[in-house]
Amino acid sequence: KAGVTQTPRYLIKTRGQQVTLSCSPISGHRSVSWYQQTPGQGLQFLFEYFSETQRNKGNFPGRFSGRQFSNSRSEMNVSTLELGDSALYLCASSLALGTPYGYTFGSGTRLTVV
Amino acid sequence: KNQVEQSPQSLIILEGKNCTLQCNYTVSPFSNLRWYKQDTGRGPVSLTIMTFSENTKSNGRYTATLDADTKQSSLHITASQLSDSASYICVVSADLTSYQKVTFGTGTKLQVIP
Repeated sequence: KAGVTQTPRYLIKTRGQQVTLSCSPISGHRSVSWYQQTPGQGLQFLFEYFSETQRNKGNFPGRFSGRQFSNSRSEMNVSTLELGDSALYLCASSLALGTPYGYTFGSGTRLTVV
Repeated sequence: KNQVEQSPQSLIILEGKNCTLQCNYTVSPFSNLRWYKQDTGRGPVSLTIMTFSENTKSNGRYTATLDADTKQSSLHITASQLSDSASYICVVSADLTSYQKVTFGTGTKLQVIP
């Protein structure tokens, strides 16, 4: 079965712009979570969605937002981009909220802000 | 505060040699611990998962151990191969009331050289 699909794979944006990233979970998975990964900070949790509702949120500014659709696909939006937002953004899906069933990660979207 | 610390930060070993990566955590209440392998520019892939009652779990040449008393885990790689070059991330879940909270380590970057 298809894995977690993230689009686009690579993105270059200018400071001040906004960006929307997309994540399609594994079929049947209802939970989608988002992470930012930078060389210095490692993986940092952004937020998790389940049944179209944000259930858990990390410590990121309000410029980072997300949503989940009825088919479990999720989007993440970053407004007023800053140079420090350059990172690999990973999405992971699981059968249900939390990790008892395990996360499956996508390959990520590499965002570069110039 | 829930924390996961991994050591060493980076490691270089010769092909064919064994190595052990360490993970210490202060996550509470403990639910499970996972080791992930992340190739450069890709999403993490789960290697092993262990719950409180399990103290060892193998996946091919990868063997994870867990000491829930000392809150330590290790990942042992046997007869390393060039393809083992990657970052290895320890992820610990806390079992909260309605969901599981996940804490990620910053990873150990392993380089296997010929």
